[in-house]
Amino acid sequence: QEQLVESGGGVVQPGRSLRLSCAGSGFTFNNFAMHWVRQAPGAGLEWVALISYDGNNKYYAESVKGRFTISRDNSRNTLYLQMNSLRDDDTAVYFCARVRFGTSHFDYWGRGTLVAVSS
Amino acid sequence: SSEVTQDPAVSVALGQTVSITCQGDSLRYYYATWYQQKPGQAPILVIYNENHRPSGIPDRFSGSRSGNTASLTITGAQAEDEADYYCISRDSSGHPVIFGGGTKLTVL
Repeated sequence: QEQLVESGGGVVQPGRSLRLSCAGSGFTFNNFAMHWVRQAPGAGLEWVALISYDGNNKYYAESVKGRFTISRDNSRNTLYLQMNSLRDDDTAVYFCARVRFGTSHFDYWGRGTLVAVSS
Repeated sequence: SSEVTQDPAVSVALGQTVSITCQGDSLRYYYATWYQQKPGQAPILVIYNENHRPSGIPDRFSGSRSGNTASLTITGAQAEDEADYYCISRDSSGHPVIFGGGTKLTVL
């Protein structure tokens, strides 16, 4: 059974850091590029970051560039998002999603983890 | 332009046909992908590469494109189709993923 399970969310003060994880199972993790997508309360989906299947290429939304870092450990089938200098508007549910090599669409998403930035 | 736009809300009578549209210059060059999201749940893929359905998605869902507009059509809408629908495209100017703002579909 294929799964993506996010973890690491919680309540954090503005300016602090948090690291999210996304564990993949039931599929060949390094056959997929991986993305983080977030959804603020009551809002739409916002793309956050992308990492290629081998980890050599990374891309970020302007809103997080310089503050967030995406990485992956294919030996552990795990995706990460290091979030520094958190702001109130980073409050959201963070989803990880996969894109099969050779395609361009998310074919499976995790259930998300909530990050709440609040003093 | 790096935006794709959707109508915020659309309604349809039970059993009728509805189209949800997505507009943007990038859609002239890149396929639209469509996702359905119900409250408290992760999005699920309903249409990819403009008009392909993943296994498990009912055939009442279909996709099409004309010019800079992509459409998701539900033929014979069911109560369980009530959800938010998002289109996604790409942007050659540096944005790998562009989300539309989402359309809330109400089935009356």
